[in-house]
Amino acid sequence: NAGVTQTPKFQVLKTGQSMTLQCAQDMNHEYMSWYRQDPGMGLRLIHYSVGAGITDQGEVPNGYNVSRSTTEDFPLRLLSAAPSQTSVYFCASRLTGGASSYEQYFGPGTRLTVT
Amino acid sequence: GNSVTQMEGPVTLSEEAFLTINCTYTATGYPSLFWYVQYPGEGLQLLLKATKADDKGSNKGFEATYRKETTSFHLEKGSVQVSDSAVYFCALSDLDTGTASKLTFGTGTRLQVTL
Repeated sequence: NAGVTQTPKFQVLKTGQSMTLQCAQDMNHEYMSWYRQDPGMGLRLIHYSVGAGITDQGEVPNGYNVSRSTTEDFPLRLLSAAPSQTSVYFCASRLTGGASSYEQYFGPGTRLTVT
Repeated sequence: GNSVTQMEGPVTLSEEAFLTINCTYTATGYPSLFWYVQYPGEGLQLLLKATKADDKGSNKGFEATYRKETTSFHLEKGSVQVSDSAVYFCALSDLDTGTASKLTFGTGTRLQVTL
């Protein structure tokens, strides 16, 4: 199993440009999520999905869109990049079910710089 | 809302020293508690977890005990190695059914171990 994969690893955008961060998992996990990691702030949840066709907002959703057309893929779209979106982005997945203690599996991250 | 407070780093220790990283939380009821570790240039990976009061999670020589009375989940290791140098995140899951339960992270504590 490849686990959770993310592309690209690094990206530089100019203000106003759009792009899509890709995330895929091969573990048949229903739950997928996107976080951003900023110095001194830990990880903050952007959007999440509990299954194909279902998405919801997390703590910091503004400026980002997601969709979930398949179980495997969960892309994150930046419609008009802003310098405040400079961050490291992590995708994660896990099982769903009756327990809240399932381990989340994280991808290696995408480092995004917006100039 | 839920929150997690970790001691600020960086924490610098000599090899074979004793490690404690403090973590306290605020949540309603009985969340599950986690420690995740992030090695340089990588995504987060689960280190250990505890799902109810007085549970002790342990892995790779690290351990943490779920203390409901003090709302704490401090990470300890008796003898650190250079290879333990990483950022450590304390996290809790909320009390949703499990299908959509979300993780709340602390800000992370960087550990540097020197020879």
